[in-house]
Amino acid sequence: GAGVSQSPSNKVTEKGKDVELRCDPISGHTALYWYRQSLGQGLEFLIYFQGNSAPDKSGLPSDRFSAERTGGSVSTLTIQRTQQEDSAVYLCASSRAQGAKSKNIQYFGAGTRLSVL
Amino acid sequence: AQSVAQPEDQVNVAEGNPLTVKCTYSVSGNPYLFWYVQYPNRGLQFLLKYITGDNLVKGSYGFEAEFNKSQTSFHLKKPSALVSDSALYFCAVRGDMNYGGSQGNLIFGKGTKLSVKP
Repeated sequence: GAGVSQSPSNKVTEKGKDVELRCDPISGHTALYWYRQSLGQGLEFLIYFQGNSAPDKSGLPSDRFSAERTGGSVSTLTIQRTQQEDSAVYLCASSRAQGAKSKNIQYFGAGTRLSVL
Repeated sequence: AQSVAQPEDQVNVAEGNPLTVKCTYSVSGNPYLFWYVQYPNRGLQFLLKYITGDNLVKGSYGFEAEFNKSQTSFHLKKPSALVSDSALYFCAVRGDMNYGGSQGNLIFGKGTKLSVKP
């Protein structure tokens, strides 16, 4: 597609429920990232997918968070048993292959605003 | 540890005046530096980057940034601000993988809100 697409744009859920957030990256981009933007906290890295390599999960805040990327394209971020502190904007970005010599730019979607009541 | 600092939560500028949004960084090896802008309810838009080469980098919408290695800074500048420049600006760094840096994810500052008044 023309840009990174995220859905839904807004999600309101009750504490304890599971949510799934979707990201459709730019066609041909092999790298995909999830970030979380909390009020006053800036952007926090969550997880990174690069091609068929094992994802870098070092930024996931707890085991309630998980993500998968099927077929090297669309990614889903799942938050289980949501808590109020999970309320934030979840941003997805994609880029061409990242490597030591790569200079590629990350392109961001508009984000999913998650509100946990 | 790698980090980015944006010391100002907000910068206020009158339209037509020059603007500067400050950024300092800490990273092992050679830094890859970026500026992004975020308008309300929108994702981040890339403005410019520094990898190597000239210390003065020109980007989108008339913005430029100056890389200063000795001061570990990468301040964003524009000679003449527009009201439409009002937005949230993020500085980010990607570590040098040859020095054990990140695998490609960006480390962001907390953002600086730029307000340009007519």
